[in-house]
Amino acid sequence: DQQVKQNSPSLSVQEGRISILNCDYTNSMFDYFLWYKKYPAEGPTFLISISSIKDKNEDGRFTVFLNKSAKHLSLHIVPSQPGDSAVYFCAASEGLSGGGADGLTFGKGTHLIIQP
Amino acid sequence: NAGVTQTPKFQVLKTGQSMTLQCAQDMNHNSMYWYRQDPGMGLRLIYYSASEGTTDKGEVPNGYNVSRLNKREFSLRLESAAPSQTSVYFCASSDLGGDGQPQHFGDGTRLSIL
Repeated sequence: DQQVKQNSPSLSVQEGRISILNCDYTNSMFDYFLWYKKYPAEGPTFLISISSIKDKNEDGRFTVFLNKSAKHLSLHIVPSQPGDSAVYFCAASEGLSGGGADGLTFGKGTHLIIQP
Repeated sequence: NAGVTQTPKFQVLKTGQSMTLQCAQDMNHNSMYWYRQDPGMGLRLIYYSASEGTTDKGEVPNGYNVSRLNKREFSLRLESAAPSQTSVYFCASSDLGGDGQPQHFGDGTRLSIL
C-alpha cells in the first residue's frame, strides 16, 4: 500500500513556464514533507521541505504548498529552466526531525522534461 | 566537501556470493540510512541507524544486515546475494532535532546479481 503517491510518471513543460508537480499521501501521521531532485547516475539532492504546521514554503524559484485536509502537496517551479529536467521525488516522514528517527517514505517520482 | 561517500560504485555478483557495501559521511551527522531503488520505483528504506550504536529495520530488511561501525560509517551486508537484490543502493545521513533536517544522499552503488 503506497503511502506517498506521485500519479504523473512524467511531465513536459516549456522553458520559462511554470512546472507543477503533485504528490498525495495517505498516512495522517506524516508531518514533514520534502522534495528531492535526481539526475541519472547521481543520488537524490534535497530541494525544499515543509512541515505540517505550514501551508507554504518558498525558496527562490521553488515553492511547496501543503494542503493537509486533502493530504496533498505540490511543488511549483517558476520559471522553469532546462537544468530543471530531472526526476523529482516527493518524500514524507513522521517526526519533525525529518527522518532522523524512522527514515523517509518516497513516491515513485515524476520525470520533469523542460522543453526549449 | 565529500558529504556521503559510497563504495563501490558498481558491482556484479553471482547468486550466493556475499558482499559489503560501504558508506561514510563527513558531516558529523547522527543518523544514517540505507535505501534501495528499483526501476520505476521510489527509494525504499532497508535499515537505519538513528544514532551511533543503534540500528533498526526499515521497510525491506530481509536478506540484509548492517553495522554502524562508528559515527561516520554505516555498512550494508548481503550474506547470500539473490537476483531479487539487483538494485541501486543509496546511503544517506541526517542530523536530528530542530525544524526538520533533510537527508543527504550518496551517489549510489549499482549492484547486479546474476
